[in-house]
Amino acid sequence: AQSVTQLDSHVSVSEGTPVLLRCNYSSSYSPSLFWYVQHPNKGLQLLLKYTSAATLVKGINGFEAEFKKSETSFHLTKPSAHMSDAAEYFCVVSDRAGGTSYGKLTFGQGTILTVHP
Amino acid sequence: DTEVTQTPKHLVMGMTNKKSLKCEQHMGHRAMYWYKQKAKKPPELMFVYSYEKLSINESVPSRFSPECPNSSLLNLHLHALQPEDSALYLCASSPGQGARGYTFGSGTRLTVV
Repeated sequence: AQSVTQLDSHVSVSEGTPVLLRCNYSSSYSPSLFWYVQHPNKGLQLLLKYTSAATLVKGINGFEAEFKKSETSFHLTKPSAHMSDAAEYFCVVSDRAGGTSYGKLTFGQGTILTVHP
Repeated sequence: DTEVTQTPKHLVMGMTNKKSLKCEQHMGHRAMYWYKQKAKKPPELMFVYSYEKLSINESVPSRFSPECPNSSLLNLHLHALQPEDSALYLCASSPGQGARGYTFGSGTRLTVV
């Protein structure tokens, strides 16, 4: 079984300050991990993904995430927030082949990021 | 072409209507998915098609009927829906089931009246 816990339902930052969105996961098999962003009334856009290569993953728009197996975490960071970053962010896990959840994406509950001027 | 295209973008239907949602991709992906997203909730998986065959059905009510006529197209046929079925319906595709990259469409906003 796989599960995802996003530790904050809302995060509020000022423009130009760092962003940290926290995610912990549980997976029976070596997982693939993703961060998606969803702007209001829009679909999901992939920010970055971890699939067993480098543990520090760089994504689009200056975001990056670090896979820490010992902590079962995959936190999303950005050094300097921009107003356009305001959106909802989902941490997602997918089991690899052989997992009972193979092919299924399990979503966290989402974190709403607010950016103040 | 690196997109998943969903039509229509918005749909309002009565509880006795029959309608269909359409999803199309031309990335050569062999797995396609339907997700349902209620307001302020994460997406929930409904169906997975792999190589045009239904692979996963997450115990979805029969008033939702998926169809995969070819490797590029995925439809969701709707009949006798309830107001609680109002949601954003998202289509996604990936190179294969369980593959490392999933591309989502922008969704169809469905309202059942």
